[in-house]
Amino acid sequence: NAGVTQTPKFQVLKTGQSMTLQCAQDMNHNSMYWYRQDPGMGLRLIYYSASEGTTDKGEVPNGYNVSRLNKREFSLRLESAAPSQTSVYFCASSGGQGLYGYTFGSGTRLTVV
Amino acid sequence: AQSVTQLDSHVSVSEGTPVLLRCNYSSSYSPSLFWYVQHPNKGLQLLLKYTSAATLVKGINGFEAEFKKSETSFHLTKPSAHMSDAAEYFCVCPPGNTGKLIFGQGTTLQVKP
Repeated sequence: NAGVTQTPKFQVLKTGQSMTLQCAQDMNHNSMYWYRQDPGMGLRLIYYSASEGTTDKGEVPNGYNVSRLNKREFSLRLESAAPSQTSVYFCASSGGQGLYGYTFGSGTRLTVV
Repeated sequence: AQSVTQLDSHVSVSEGTPVLLRCNYSSSYSPSLFWYVQHPNKGLQLLLKYTSAATLVKGINGFEAEFKKSETSFHLTKPSAHMSDAAEYFCVCPPGNTGKLIFGQGTTLQVKP
């Protein structure tokens, strides 16, 4: 089925470990996004990529890096995980500059202990 | 700057009764607006979208929303709630042409038998 695929779905890390969250879309969308969702805080934008080859910071970029590998793939890396990064992470993509909505992945539930 | 405000953090209705989830927006122009639904431990699904065509927008699962410029509102309604409607609902606005979405804080809909 067409859409946004995120891996892994669940992950537990120890403080200081690193990991990369993967995201791929097959809708030929130009723009891709990484959000985190925390209780009572809604969704907050971490990084986004308006088009292949570009990335920009969102609201909460500290502690994260991203790579737009090609038009389909946009990865999020935690270099040294901290308990404050325990969250649910969503990748999304959009065409038409987002004016017609986003398509979201099913999320990655990350726990840092 | 554009923003969206969801006026209720929690709404509780009985099955079979109407649903009203309220959203006000702030924008210097008529924006696009979306409602997304998130069921527990799931990703976000687009319910409906307003893109400056008809002001009454019909979405999936019997939901609809009316864009009222004079009231800067985009309230979500459904004539008869079903148990499966229990979820969190987000009113969302893409500001300008950046493609980045602005999320409301979310409204949790509880449906009682």
